[in-house]
Amino acid sequence: DTAVSQTPKYLVTQMGNDKSIKCEQNLGHDTMYWYKQDSKKFLKIMFSYNNKELIINETVPNRFSPKSPDKAHLNLHINSLELGDSAVYFCASSTGLAGRWNEQFFGPGTRLTVL
Amino acid sequence: GNSVTQMEGPVTLSEEAFLTINCTYTATGYPSLFWYVQYPGEGLQLLLKATKADDKGSNKGFEATYRKETTSFHLEKGSVQVSDSAVYFCALSAPPTGANSKLTFGKGITLSVRP
Repeated sequence: DTAVSQTPKYLVTQMGNDKSIKCEQNLGHDTMYWYKQDSKKFLKIMFSYNNKELIINETVPNRFSPKSPDKAHLNLHINSLELGDSAVYFCASSTGLAGRWNEQFFGPGTRLTVL
Repeated sequence: GNSVTQMEGPVTLSEEAFLTINCTYTATGYPSLFWYVQYPGEGLQLLLKATKADDKGSNKGFEATYRKETTSFHLEKGSVQVSDSAVYFCALSAPPTGANSKLTFGKGITLSVRP
């Protein structure tokens, strides 16, 4: 009955590789997000999607490409991985209802280590 | 732009001690304010929130009051427990609302509570 799930939980890979992280929510939410948490625990939004449409893109390198096959899924593909991409990536979702703030529910995170 | 400033950490307290974690913000528009908690190895959970000036958010013995005049949202708890050991994030969400809303986080502070 997990609300927001991510796979894999841990990902260790070499520089230059391409990898994907998957996120699924079973809350019936319309909006999904990707956040990056660096080694100092600083959290910053990367992308958000609403009903499969890109809403927020926070000046993230174009090596990062989110894809939303349906509104319950938001995947993150990263090309040509660099050492600086090492971080914990969190997926989140919310109802996205207009005119109000909507609580965001976070997944458990994916720890990406680039060697 | 929007920003959140938290006091520097880490913080180490003995069980039953009083806790204050300072948080101040700058924002365009009228933000909603939040405290999120991240327990070891887990994703973020919403701890409490306040959506307008003078609102007090409370949960699990934690409290924070939205102070517009001082642009602050300090987190307090009268008697901490070992189980409160976690990373605490202050965050804001400023207009636009709905699907376009995004959370701006402070740097997070690690709290360790000794038995």
